[in-house]
Amino acid sequence: QLQLEQSGGGLVKPGGSLRLSCVASGFTFSDYYMTWIRQAPGKGLEWLAYISSSGAYTNYADSVKGRFTVSRDNAKNSVNLQMNSLGADDTAVYYCARAYVLEWFDPWGQGTLVTVSS
Amino acid sequence: QSALTQPASVSGSPGQSITFTCTGTSSDVGGYNYVSWYQHHPGKAPKLIIYEVSNRPSGVSNRFSGSKSDTTAALTIFGLQAEDEADYYCSSYASSNTVVFGGGTKLTV
Repeated sequence: QLQLEQSGGGLVKPGGSLRLSCVASGFTFSDYYMTWIRQAPGKGLEWLAYISSSGAYTNYADSVKGRFTVSRDNAKNSVNLQMNSLGADDTAVYYCARAYVLEWFDPWGQGTLVTVSS
Repeated sequence: QSALTQPASVSGSPGQSITFTCTGTSSDVGGYNYVSWYQHHPGKAPKLIIYEVSNRPSGVSNRFSGSKSDTTAALTIFGLQAEDEADYYCSSYASSNTVVFGGGTKLTV
């Protein structure tokens, strides 16, 4: 069964950092791109970043470029999102998802809430 | 990286058919056949229901159908059911290895 299990959300102060993790099971993790997507309260989905299957290539949305870093460990079937310089606008539910290149995303993790507040 | 344009809300009655639109530009929807659609019940993980404009993943009801014309993609749900009530998002590859989502459409059945 395809599954993505997320962890690492929580409350962080403005300017702080947080690291999200996502562990995959049920498929050959190293064959797939992975991506991160978020949904701010009352807003739509926003694509944030992707990492290629080997980890050699990454790219980011302009809104997080320079602040967020995506990485993966294929030996541990995990992908991470390091988030720095967090602001109130980063408050959202964050999802990891398996990506068929950048064409479609399936499955998605259960989501983890990140709240940036003093 | 401007969001794709979707109507904020749509409503329909059980048994009806309903179509959602998703409007982009030649740099995203119009430039690639990489439009996908996701069904999102609040509090749950979004679910892929259409990929590459018109393909349905295994296990997705054939009541869901996708299409595209120029810079506008569309999702049609035939025979609306109460369980279809959810938020629906389109997304598209948008060049330079980026992806753009629509703002989402809330379906009320």
